[in-house]
Parts: sequence; structure tokens; C-alpha cells
Amino acid sequence: NAGVTQTPKFQVLKTGQSMTLQCAQDMNHNSMYWYRQDPGMGLRLIYYSASEGTTDKGEVPNGYNVSRLNKREFSLRLESAAPSQTSVYFCASSETLGGMGQPQHFGDGTRLSIL
Amino acid sequence: SQKIEQNSEALNIQEGKTATLTCNYTNYSPAYLQWYRQDPGRGPVFLLLIRENEKEKRKERLKVTFDTTLKQSLFHITASQPADSATYLCALPAGNTGKLIFGQGTTLQVKP
Repeated sequence: NAGVTQTPKFQVLKTGQSMTLQCAQDMNHNSMYWYRQDPGMGLRLIYYSASEGTTDKGEVPNGYNVSRLNKREFSLRLESAAPSQTSVYFCASSETLGGMGQPQHFGDGTRLSIL
Repeated sequence: SQKIEQNSEALNIQEGKTATLTCNYTNYSPAYLQWYRQDPGRGPVFLLLIRENEKEKRKERLKVTFDTTLKQSLFHITASQPADSATYLCALPAGNTGKLIFGQGTTLQVKP
């Protein structure tokens, strides 16, 4: 059982380039999330999708867009990468948008460097 | 605004001892609190959830307490092992939104 799969695992971009980070989950979860993790900052929510067909901004959405392609897949796009977006990006999923404290299941991250 | 604080300094202990990690929060009253473990190069993994009406929760060598008066949760690992070395994150709900706010995490190093 793969859980949450993220691709690619590593990526180096030049400032101004665009790219899409892919995420897929095989647990039939309704809700999916994108976080970034920076040293000393902890995990910060970029965007989330409560259910298929809906997306909402999190704490740090500027410079990013998302697509909930179907129930399994949730992608994160950087349209014009900036050095400040150098980070580790994590995708997560949960059964629903955790009102009852449902745990989130994380992928192993994409390490993104922008030069 | 809601704020979560975990000790940013690494905790170094000897194998066999009990590790205690702290999670403090301010400016709200969460209905529950979660603890996650994160190994280097990996994503966080859920460990335990404790609700506001529960004082204590146990799972094998793990024990979590939740003091809503002190606005604090303690995470204990008894009989610690080198394999317990990791970063431990606490997470609380962002109001009634269902989203989580994560602490920065505390790194635990268990020495043989």
C-alpha cells in the first residue's frame, strides 16, 4: 500500500521557471493538502482541497496554484519560481477535513531548490 | 492569533531513560491535539491523538498528556531507544476549520 506518493523527489529550477509537483493518494481520502517546510518555520499550509472539486487557500498561497485533478490526485504549480520558494514540499491526505481529529497521512516530500 | 511552541533545542538523552517533549499553545482552546514523528528525509507520521476531555493517552511506550488549563501537552517516551531518535511535531486544529497548525518540532537524540 503506497499511501501518498509525491513526484519528483528532488528538483532544481532557475528563477522564473515553472513546474508542477504531483501528488497521488491511494487511500480513498476526500481531503488533500500541500505544505511547505522550512528550517525554523515548521509546516505551513499552502493550499488544501476539502473534497474533489474544491480548493482553498491556506496560510501561504502566494506564488502557487493547485489543481484537484480527481479524488486521488492533487497537484501544486509554481508559475514563476522565486528563490524564496526553495523549500521541502509535502503533500498530505485525510479521510475528511479533520473536524474530528482525523490524522493526516504525508508523502515523503519534494526537495525544491530555486537558483 | 493561534500560536504553538515546541522547544527548538534538541533533546539528548541516554538509552533507557524517559524522554519528555513539550508543546505549548496560546490564544485558543483546541478540541484535540495530535503528535507526529518525522525522520530525516521523510514526511511526518501520525502517532497519537488526545481530545480535550482526555487527560492522558497511552500507546505502547508512548504517553501523551493534555492540560487545557496550562495550555500544554507533554509527550513521553519511556525506555527510550536509539530508534526513537527523530523530530516530534505537535499539531492542533485551526479553530473549527478542520485544518491543522503544526509546531516547529523538537528533535530527540537517544544515545546508546
